[in-house]
Amino acid sequence: AIQLTQSPSSLSASVGDRVTITCRASQGISSALAWYQQKPGKAPKLLIYDASRLESGVPSRFSGSGSGTDFSLTISSLQPEDFATYYCQQFNNYPLSFGGGTKVEIK
Amino acid sequence: VQLVESGGGLVQPGESLRLSCAASGFSVTNNYMTWVRQAPGKGLEWVSVMYSGGSTHYADSVKGRFTVSRDNSKNTLYLQLNSLRPEDTAVYYCARNFYDRSGPSDVWGKGTTVAVSP
Repeated sequence: AIQLTQSPSSLSASVGDRVTITCRASQGISSALAWYQQKPGKAPKLLIYDASRLESGVPSRFSGSGSGTDFSLTISSLQPEDFATYYCQQFNNYPLSFGGGTKVEIK
Repeated sequence: VQLVESGGGLVQPGESLRLSCAASGFSVTNNYMTWVRQAPGKGLEWVSVMYSGGSTHYADSVKGRFTVSRDNSKNTLYLQLNSLRPEDTAVYYCARNFYDRSGPSDVWGKGTTVAVSP
């Protein structure tokens, strides 16, 4: 099974900061990676798919990059509504898997 | 486009439950459909997928105990949970995938809670 390691597991940042979260796969997954945002008590929301494609309706301050084993999610200017937990997911091989999550908190 | 899960509850170890996921605005036969769960205070865990053609895949942790099915006439997906264990306690989400793809999931329900306790 493919393991996804996210880092950091949590971070504190201020509104307006540039934030980058990384996701490393235990083996190559091409570009079969998605990023989700989850707020407490809510379902996950798709942000990025195929490593770098922005889901419709998602603000352009979110971007994704990478392929193979190393991926990143960047928020160019953190907004108050962006404080949440972010997960990566690989869909290249079954069983599919999620990273452990990165909690973005207010500094 | 909407997904609404139901059927969760409190059960004892070894018992069974059937979760439902009612879809509206699209057909569950046109997309791969996914179940994901989240234990209290923990991260997301992929559980299963049903292809538009009816094939299925499962996480190792539930293989042989959980079964996905669907009722095309009701446009509803089901997850049968048998031989439940305390570690199956979680919010269970149903999600729609991009057409005939293993991922990603672009539409999610609000979830239904399963608690397994003596």
